[in-house]
Amino acid sequence: GAVVSQHPSWVICKSGTSVKIECRSLDFQATTMFWYRQFPKKSLMLMATSNEGSKATYEQGVEKDKFLINHASLTLSTLTVTSAHPEDSSFYICSASRGNEKLFFGSGTQLSVL
Amino acid sequence: ILNVEQSPQSLHVQEGDSTNFTCSFPSSNFYALHWYRWETAKSPEALFVMTLNGDEKKKGRISATLNTKEGYSYLYIKGSQPEDSATYLCASRGGGGNKLTFGTGTQLKVEL
Repeated sequence: GAVVSQHPSWVICKSGTSVKIECRSLDFQATTMFWYRQFPKKSLMLMATSNEGSKATYEQGVEKDKFLINHASLTLSTLTVTSAHPEDSSFYICSASRGNEKLFFGSGTQLSVL
Repeated sequence: ILNVEQSPQSLHVQEGDSTNFTCSFPSSNFYALHWYRWETAKSPEALFVMTLNGDEKKKGRISATLNTKEGYSYLYIKGSQPEDSATYLCASRGGGGNKLTFGTGTQLKVEL
């Protein structure tokens, strides 16, 4: 089956530092990857859609300079939370599409900013 | 309905019980309805993708139905087992884009 690997699983960082989260499709080429954020008891909220070789499309209200997305290859997309602050603490999860309908998800990253 | 809503929020059943959950979604400009199963500390896993009104899909003891005209889908689990314990997410996709809008999920716990 299709596997998406997301690292790290959890990260604690100091306020003001940047954190990079990687999302890799291990056994398929992902034409599109999606980044979500989830607050406690809330639904997965789409942050941006990442297409290989082109700029990511950000959802309304998501700061593109705060959440940098790079999709440099068909198997890797990265989300960098720049100058992280406590309000950026959240659960972040990626998913990948092979071009058919269903999505393949990573296992998520819990970010805590002190 | 503007958002995707799921009910109940959580559910505790006994092993062997059959159960069902509801997903309500916007019926206008509908394209597809997804169901995912999300076990703790694992990745969400696709169960079904449904597009046609009246569609019914089955995977083992789990089945789902779709009503696109009224904007709802039911997920059924027959003879629940402890390994069915997970959060079940539904997500709706409208026409004209590839974005999924997720519900908050139904958390199922199956007890011995």
